[in-house]
Amino acid sequence: ETVLTQSPATLSLSPGERATLSCRASQSVSPSLAWYQHKPGQAPRLLIYDVSHRATGVPTRFSGSGSGTDFTLTIGSLQPEDFAVYYCQQRSNWPPTFGQGTRVEI
Amino acid sequence: QVQLVQSGAEVKKPGGSVKVSCKASGYTFTRYDINWVRQATGKGLEWMGRMDPNSGNTGLAQKFQGRVTMTRNISISTAYMELSSLRSEDTAVYYCARGWAIDSRFDPWGQGTLVTVSS
Repeated sequence: ETVLTQSPATLSLSPGERATLSCRASQSVSPSLAWYQHKPGQAPRLLIYDVSHRATGVPTRFSGSGSGTDFTLTIGSLQPEDFAVYYCQQRSNWPPTFGQGTRVEI
Repeated sequence: QVQLVQSGAEVKKPGGSVKVSCKASGYTFTRYDINWVRQATGKGLEWMGRMDPNSGNTGLAQKFQGRVTMTRNISISTAYMELSSLRSEDTAVYYCARGWAIDSRFDPWGQGTLVTVSS
């Protein structure tokens, strides 16, 4: 199966700073790569699909980029509500897989 | 609005089984896959499998083959995931999520169902 490796495991930043999260795949997954935000007690929330398409209602400070095996989620200016765990996920190869997550903490 | 509403929390004994439901509303149930994803305490998201509500066809992660059954009742727009031979490691929050055939999305997600396996 396709292994997605996210880095770093934890990102410690302050509100207003820029966050850059990485997702590396063990084989090509373009363009079927999505990003989710997950907060405790809530369902995961779709942020980005197909590498760079923002989901409906997602603020423009969230952006996705990359191709092949290397992908990035960028949060332009961290807001207090952005502190959460972020997962990448691929559906290009069977079975669908998730990365292990990056925690963005204050 | 489009939403998935799951059944409530369950407590089960090891060796037993659990059946979680996922009721869809706001869209045509048979036009999108339903996927099941779980999260054990302190762990990440784990994809379990998917079902095409139109055909009933399913695809499961190898880890769950033989233990997971996915079914649906089209008349009430509800999908079900049954996990058998429960063990303590199956204690987790189980989510259903709508899968889009044309792209990578799982959206939206159900609110999650906590299944606790304990003797």
